Amino acid sequence: AQSVTQLGSHVSVSEGALVLLRCNYSSSVPPYLFWYVQYPNQGLQLLLKYTTGATLVKRINGFEAEFKKSETSFHLTKPSAHMSDAAEYFCAVSDRSSNYKLTFGKGTLLTVNP
Amino acid sequence: ETGVTQTPRHLVMGMTNKKSLKCEQHLGHNAMYWYKQSAKKPLELMFVYSLEERVENNSVPSRFSPECPNSSHLFLHLHTLQPEDSALYLCASSQVPDRAAGYTFGSGTRLTVV
Repeated sequence: AQSVTQLGSHVSVSEGALVLLRCNYSSSVPPYLFWYVQYPNQGLQLLLKYTTGATLVKRINGFEAEFKKSETSFHLTKPSAHMSDAAEYFCAVSDRSSNYKLTFGKGTLLTVNP
Repeated sequence: ETGVTQTPRHLVMGMTNKKSLKCEQHLGHNAMYWYKQSAKKPLELMFVYSLEERVENNSVPSRFSPECPNSSHLFLHLHTLQPEDSALYLCASSQVPDRAAGYTFGSGTRLTVV
């Protein structure tokens, strides 16, 4: 069975500071890993994903996540936080054992202080 | 319309009412999902319709009844709800077996039971 642990239900950073949201997963087979973002009163939007190939996944808005098999982690980072990054972030995993259904973490609420 | 559309966006209902939530996807996907998102709780998968198969979470009360008349439409019928059923109900769709695509979510219906 697969599971996702997001360390820290709430992370607070200053504008311009580094953002680090942690995600660890458990999976007995090669995983697919996802980060979703949810703005207030909205649904979840796919932010980035790791499937195969390059283990560092980057998005044009500065967010990136690195798949580290040895650490069973897929942490999300951004070098410089912007006010508009304030949202809730969900890590998710899928693999063959679940017939590729997504299992979500509990989410991390990111607040950005001016 | 593109993506996944949920209606209504907000719903207030009494405990004796019957109402339905509607979800429509315009992505050509073949799987649809209902999730419940309550404050300070993890995302809860309620129902899955995939390739004409229905999978349900056994912990979901019978006062929630899903209906999927075709691959583009999904309903959640509600009757005799309880105040603890107040939550954001999210619909999602995906393409099975595209393992790497993840899910596309609607904006949700904010349900308040009074």
